[in-house]
Amino acid sequence: GAVVSQHPSWVICKSGTSVKIECRSLDFQATTMFWYRQFPKQSLMLMATSNEGSKATYEQGVEKDKFLINHASLTLSTLTVTSAHPEDSSFYICSAPDTYTDTQYFGPGTRLTVL
Amino acid sequence: GENVEQHPSTLSVQEGDSAVIKCTYSDSASNYFPWYKQELGKGPQLIIDIRSNVGEKKDQRIAVTLNKTAKHFSLHITETQPEDSAVYFCAAKSIGGFKTIFGAGTRLFVKA
Repeated sequence: GAVVSQHPSWVICKSGTSVKIECRSLDFQATTMFWYRQFPKQSLMLMATSNEGSKATYEQGVEKDKFLINHASLTLSTLTVTSAHPEDSSFYICSAPDTYTDTQYFGPGTRLTVL
Repeated sequence: GENVEQHPSTLSVQEGDSAVIKCTYSDSASNYFPWYKQELGKGPQLIIDIRSNVGEKKDQRIAVTLNKTAKHFSLHITETQPEDSAVYFCAAKSIGGFKTIFGAGTRLFVKA
């Protein structure tokens, strides 16, 4: 199947700093990518939809000024957690759909820990 | 709104036994149903999917069935092995639709 990568796989930062997470589709182009957040032992929570060349669409309750999304190319979307706080600590996962098969492929996730 | 319910939330089986996870969906326009396996600390991996023009699909020890009338679909794992232990998510999507709706997940434990 298609491959989606994420970088970094884990990051530890101090409260108040910003963290950028990259999501790349390695062998297909993705005009749309999805960003999820997952707390321990819980399901995937869709945060926002990243659209290449246009603004991201955020789910209700997700602060767009805190979670900045940029989808500058057909293979790269970035999520920046601004002014991170301990409650932002979570597992962040991106995914990209293969538009030919409609199958959604997930990245390996990024574990963010805010001290 | 659209919803996918998944049961059970936790399932424990003995190695070699079968495991069944069931999901129901609410959006009658859904016609693509993938299943994902998520191991600890990793992203979900697609393990099998089924489209609405098919009632059953099998891939080695894994099979999925779909009942569109009842809006039910199920994952069947036969001859379970300890490495099958993981969290499994069902999902539903309409072809060409925007979002994939995920179930809450089933934590499967396979005891050796």
